[in-house]
Amino acid sequence: EVQLVESGGGVVHPGGSLRLSCAASGFTFDDYAMHWVRQAPGKGLEWVSLISGEGDRIYYADSVKGRFTISRDKSRNSLYLQMNSLRTEDTALYYCVKDLGGYDDFWGQGTLVTVSS
Amino acid sequence: QSALTQPASVSGSPGQSITISCTGTTSDVGGYDFVSWYQQHPGKAPKLMIYDVTNRPSGASTRFSGSKSGNTASLTISGLQAEDEATYYCSSYTSITLAWVFGGGTDLTVL
Repeated sequence: EVQLVESGGGVVHPGGSLRLSCAASGFTFDDYAMHWVRQAPGKGLEWVSLISGEGDRIYYADSVKGRFTISRDKSRNSLYLQMNSLRTEDTALYYCVKDLGGYDDFWGQGTLVTVSS
Repeated sequence: QSALTQPASVSGSPGQSITISCTGTTSDVGGYDFVSWYQQHPGKAPKLMIYDVTNRPSGASTRFSGSKSGNTASLTISGLQAEDEATYYCSSYTSITLAWVFGGGTDLTVL
C-alpha cells in the first residue's frame, strides 16, 4: 500500500525557517518524480516544487524560488522541503505528491505551516 | 491569479450532466496533452479523476470524462450524484516554468 506521510509543519515567525519531510513507502521511491503542492486556508492548489527520481532535475514556482530547497534521500525513502525566509503568504497545508498528474498520482494528507507574528 | 482559468461554480441536479472548463494558453493546456483533473472534498486531499486529458486512473468513476479543444480542456460528469459535490481543479504541464500549474478551482453543487 502506497503511503506518503508529511511532517515538520508548525508555527513560525516571518523570516523564520522550517524543514518539511515526507516519508514514502509501498513503492519504489527512485522510480518517481516527487512534488510539493500547497493550499492556503480556504484557497486553491498551488504547485511549489518538483524533483526528478534521480534528483538531478529540480524546479520551483517563482513564488518560492531562492527561498525553498527541495531534496530527496533514497536511503531513507524521504522527500524534504527546506523553507527559509518564510512569509505570511507561505501559510498553507503542504502536500507531498508522487507522480503528479500521472497514472500513479498519489497525495499525502499534508502538514500545516503557519507563518505569523 | 491562477495560471489556468476555471469557472468559480457550477451546479446540476441528480442524474444530469455538467461540464467544467479549464482555459490556458499554448504554453500549457494547448501545447501539451498533460492535463489532469482533481476532485477535492472538504478536509481531504485531492483525488485524481482524469490524467493526460482523457484517461481515467483505476478507482475513478466511469461517469467522469475529459476532453480538450485548443487551449481549453473540459471535465464532464454524467449522471450526477450527491457524492460528486466537491471542488474540482484542473492542472497542466507548462513550458513557462517547466513544471505544473493549477486552475483556481470550481465548486460543484448538486441541487
